[in-house]
Amino acid sequence: QSVLTQPPSVSAAPGQKVTISCSGSSANIENNYLSWYQQLPGTAPKLLIYDNNKRPSGIPDRFSGSKSGTSATLGITGLQTGDEADYYCGTWDSSLSAVVFGGGTKLTVL
Amino acid sequence: QVQLQESGPGLVKPSETLSLTCVVSDYSISNDYSWGWIRQPPGKGLEWIGSVYHSGSTYYNPSLKSRVTISVDRSKYQFSLKLTSVTAADTAVYYCARVRGYYGSGPPDYFDFWGQGTLVTVSS
Repeated sequence: QSVLTQPPSVSAAPGQKVTISCSGSSANIENNYLSWYQQLPGTAPKLLIYDNNKRPSGIPDRFSGSKSGTSATLGITGLQTGDEADYYCGTWDSSLSAVVFGGGTKLTVL
Repeated sequence: QVQLQESGPGLVKPSETLSLTCVVSDYSISNDYSWGWIRQPPGKGLEWIGSVYHSGSTYYNPSLKSRVTISVDRSKYQFSLKLTSVTAADTAVYYCARVRGYYGSGPPDYFDFWGQGTLVTVSS
């Protein structure tokens, strides 16, 4: 059971938009920065979004992050088959004094 | 571009100590970042193990704290993980990563560069 809750899977057609939610509490998401990671099959995770809504250099603006209260959302527009991956949210939990991750969401581009 | 490479035994016996090293290239390990370890059991999600600042200050996952030591060797541009008394539940792909802290040596904020990962199996 992960501290952060994500849907196990989402799907959408190529070219469409999809959102992935990440739900937590005041101990983690609400009062700390959130990051998102993309893990393509058989590879290491890759940073997509940091500090709630910032994109590292090289990440296309098709990827966006937002946060409101105890929840956060990753948005992906103009879906491509190459976006098929597992997506994880992560943040610091001030009560646990630990980095916590969501259980991951598998994105399928139909 | 920062590069990280994990190395260490792929097979460890139960009750023994798992030891991994991560070599950092194209970036000074003494700059204002921390260095961390994350693991992923086969078919499962990510679990943070801990991180170390170049000064040696550390943050550990409370669930692993009694068994974990993370240290940094600035002269060799590397940092290390030791996990004692391993069981089959410690079987996982272990990743090293560069960590941006909230402030210098503060709690981890995000992981921006990752190694490719190394599978460690605990079995007799």
